[in-house]
Amino acid sequence: KQEVTQIPAALSVPEGENLVLNCSFTDSAIYNLQWFRQDPGKGLTSLLLIQSSQREQTSGRLNASLDKSSGRSTLYIAASQPGDSATYLCAVSHPTNTGTASKLTFGTGTRLQVTL
Amino acid sequence: GAVVSQHPSWVICKSGTSVKIECRSLDFQATTMFWYRQFPKQSLMLMATSNEGSKATYEQGVEKDKFLINHASLTLSTLTVTSAHPEDSSFYICSARDPKRLGELFFGEGSRLTVL
Repeated sequence: KQEVTQIPAALSVPEGENLVLNCSFTDSAIYNLQWFRQDPGKGLTSLLLIQSSQREQTSGRLNASLDKSSGRSTLYIAASQPGDSATYLCAVSHPTNTGTASKLTFGTGTRLQVTL
Repeated sequence: GAVVSQHPSWVICKSGTSVKIECRSLDFQATTMFWYRQFPKQSLMLMATSNEGSKATYEQGVEKDKFLINHASLTLSTLTVTSAHPEDSSFYICSARDPKRLGELFFGEGSRLTVL
C-alpha cells in the first residue's frame, strides 16, 4: 500500500526566503506525481505535474523535482511571498493495467506561512 | 488551466434530509471523476471513483447507499448525501482528470456541508 509523507508538517518563513518542501513515497512504481496548494476552506489548485519519466518541472518561482528510485520529490519555492501561504499537498498515482493513471494517494500536507 | 466547477459551495440542511452536490468539468470531458472528503486540518480522503455511464467504485468503509454517485455525462458527476446526519458534516471536494493533459487532476472549489 502506497504511503506518502510530507515533511515538515508546518513551516513559517520570512518573506523573500527560498524554501523546500519534501515529499516521500514508499512505492516507487508511480505513474506521476502532482503538487497542489490548498487555501483555507477552498479546493486544490494544481501547481506542477511530474511524469514518472521526468526529473523536474518548473513554473515561475516553483520547481519540483522527482527522484523515483529513492521515493522522493521536493517542491522549491523561490523568493517566497505572503501570498504563498497555504497548505501544500503532494500526491502520487500508479499506472493501471490500461496504461492510464490510477487514483491519487495524498500526502499529509505542509502548512506554509510566509510572514512580512 | 482546466476548470472544474462544484456547486453549491456551502449548504446547511436539517438532519434526515438529502443534499446533492454537483461537479462539472467546464472545458474538458472527464470519463472519470473522484469524490473526496476532508476533515479539518486533515488531508483528503478518497470516497469513490465516479465512472461515466457505469457504477461508481467506492473505497472501503464508504457506504454506497449513503453517498449516491451519478455520472450521467462526460462533464457532470453528482454526489447525493442521503438522510444526512451531523456526522456527515464535512468538506466535500470533487476532481476530474483531463485525459488530454497527461492525466493531470483538477479539483473543484469544494462544498462545505453542515447538517444541523
